[in-house]
Amino acid sequence: QEQLVESGGGVVQPGKSLRLSCAASGFTFSSGGMHWVRQAPGKGLEWVAVISDDGSTAFYTDSLKGRFTISRDNVKNTLFLEVDSLRVEDTALYYCARARYGSSFYEPDHWGQGTLVIVSS
Amino acid sequence: EIVLTQSPATLSLSPGERATLSCRASQTVSDYLAWYQQRPGQAPRLLIYGASNRATGIPARFSGSGSGTDFTLTISSLEPEDFAVYYCQHRNRWPPIFTFGPGTKVDI
Repeated sequence: QEQLVESGGGVVQPGKSLRLSCAASGFTFSSGGMHWVRQAPGKGLEWVAVISDDGSTAFYTDSLKGRFTISRDNVKNTLFLEVDSLRVEDTALYYCARARYGSSFYEPDHWGQGTLVIVSS
Repeated sequence: EIVLTQSPATLSLSPGERATLSCRASQTVSDYLAWYQQRPGQAPRLLIYGASNRATGIPARFSGSGSGTDFTLTISSLEPEDFAVYYCQHRNRWPPIFTFGPGTKVDI
């Protein structure tokens, strides 16, 4: 059974950094791209980043480029998102999601349940 | 930058009725258009990709159509579990940058 489990969220002060993790199981993690998508409380979905199956290539939404870094460990079947200089507006539920089979950069087709990040002093 | 607009913002219907949701792009997006369903408290679920292809396990009452700048998600006969928020999403051909629309809430 395919499973994605996010962790690493919590309450963080503005300006601090955070690393989110997403543990994958039940499928061949190294065979596909992976995404991060976030959702602020009561708001819509915002795509954050995608990384290729081998971790060599990544793309980010323009507004977040520079503070967010997506990476992966194909030995440990884990996806990461590092966020620097956290802002109040980064408060959101962060989802990891697998790219639809066939290309690293297809849309997400299987999602975790998310990890909540609250940025507050 | 492509902007997606969804209408209506809210659609009030009853079980058994037909739902027609619209997604309009600010410029031509070919068929790199997907639809997601998000039920309260749950993660999104991919319904449609490539504008008209149902994802694995998605019931036949869900269908997608359109091309260019205008796309439609149709739910032929609403089931109680279909009351949710629906998002369209575009993927830029290259670089693969993704954009979500603001969503349409389908409620009773």
